[in-house]
Amino acid sequence: EIVMTQSPATLSVSPGERATLSCRASQSVSSILAWYQQKPGQAPRLLIYDASTRVTGIPARFSGSGSGTEFTLTISSLQSEDFAVYYCQQYNNWPYTFGQGTKVEIK
Amino acid sequence: QITLKESGPTLVKPTQTLTLTCTFSGFSLSTSGVGVGWIRQPPGKALEWLALISWDDDKRYSPSLKSRVTITKDTSKNQVVLTMTNMDPVDTATYYCAHSGATVTTFRFRNYYYYYTDVWGGGTTVTVSS
Repeated sequence: EIVMTQSPATLSVSPGERATLSCRASQSVSSILAWYQQKPGQAPRLLIYDASTRVTGIPARFSGSGSGTEFTLTISSLQSEDFAVYYCQQYNNWPYTFGQGTKVEIK
Repeated sequence: QITLKESGPTLVKPTQTLTLTCTFSGFSLSTSGVGVGWIRQPPGKALEWLALISWDDDKRYSPSLKSRVTITKDTSKNQVVLTMTNMDPVDTATYYCAHSGATVTTFRFRNYYYYYTDVWGGGTTVTVSS
């Protein structure tokens, strides 16, 4: 099973600032990685798939990069609605696995 | 518009079998490259894949739960059913069903499907307690 490790666990950011979230896979997953946003009491929402493809309707301030074992989700200028928990997930090998999440909180 | 909705009991007793139904609309599970999966999330914890069934009836199970979980589809009813036997309090969680699209690659004339989960149901909370 591929282990996904996200860092940091919590990221304190001021509105308007840039946020950089990291995700590392225990073995290569090529570019087969997705990023999700989850707000309290809600289901996760897909933001990015195939490491860097933004879902239709997701604001351009969200971008994904990386391949192999190292991935990054960048939120260029945090808006109030972006404070949430973010998960990465590999779907290159079954079982698909999620990271433990990064909570982005208001500084 | 793709929608999915989970239904089933909110409370089950230890050792009982849980049956959850995912009823969906806006897509067909007989369309190439489509899958439906079940994912759960214990309170305050991360997400965990349970099972995935795809358009060609390929079924995948979490290795840690494989002996307890079964996933089936009824294409005519637009439903996917998950059963989980021998429930335990550690199985208390919110259970989500979700639609998956696929990234497809071809190698030596064979297609390989990599399913990313793009639309989620609202989830159903299941508590395991006597």
